[in-house]
Amino acid sequence: DAGVTQSPTHLIKTRGQHVTLRCSPISGHKSVSWYQQVLGQGPQFIFQYYEKEERGRGNFPDRFSARQFPNYSSELNVNALLLGDSALYLCASSLEPVRGYTFGSGTRLTVV
Amino acid sequence: QKEVEQNSGPLSVPEGAIASLNCTYSDRGSQSFFWYRQYSGKSPELIMSIYSNGDKEDGRFTAQLNKASQYVSLLIRDSQPSDSATYLCAVTRDNYGQNFVFGPGTRLSVLP
Repeated sequence: DAGVTQSPTHLIKTRGQHVTLRCSPISGHKSVSWYQQVLGQGPQFIFQYYEKEERGRGNFPDRFSARQFPNYSSELNVNALLLGDSALYLCASSLEPVRGYTFGSGTRLTVV
Repeated sequence: QKEVEQNSGPLSVPEGAIASLNCTYSDRGSQSFFWYRQYSGKSPELIMSIYSNGDKEDGRFTAQLNKASQYVSLLIRDSQPSDSATYLCAVTRDNYGQNFVFGPGTRLSVLP
């Protein structure tokens, strides 16, 4: 079975640009969450979606937005990129979120 | 006070020894607790979940939870060099598994 797939794997953007990251959950998983992980730190929660509805939002600026599609895939959008947005962006899916999430391999975003 | 705290390490143990990883959390309403393993350059991998006070064993891993002390730990018996990784503690307070809060992780090094 395919795991959580994310694209692209690596991305380099310039300050001020916009970026879209994509995620396909494990088949049957209706919950998708997004996390940002800066080197040396634990993942920080950005968004959770369940059945296409936003169920949770972390402490991130409005430049960050996300959505979930009818097929449960998801995308994370970040506008007006800052150098500090450089990080590993992780998508995770779950059949039953309270039982834990399975993470994708992440998208490494570098803002220059 | 950070929501989830862990010693950053590195924690070094000899091969075959017991590795003990600790995590404290500040939110008394936390309901679910997880341990993830993250190899360098890889995404987090769920290894244990625990929901009620006491011990939970899975192979060489034992998770321990004490809600009164707001403390959760992970014991790894017969540590192997392949266990060398960063171990992330995560907690969530709601039944939908929203907003997992991760600790900064403890880096474990198992010496041959």
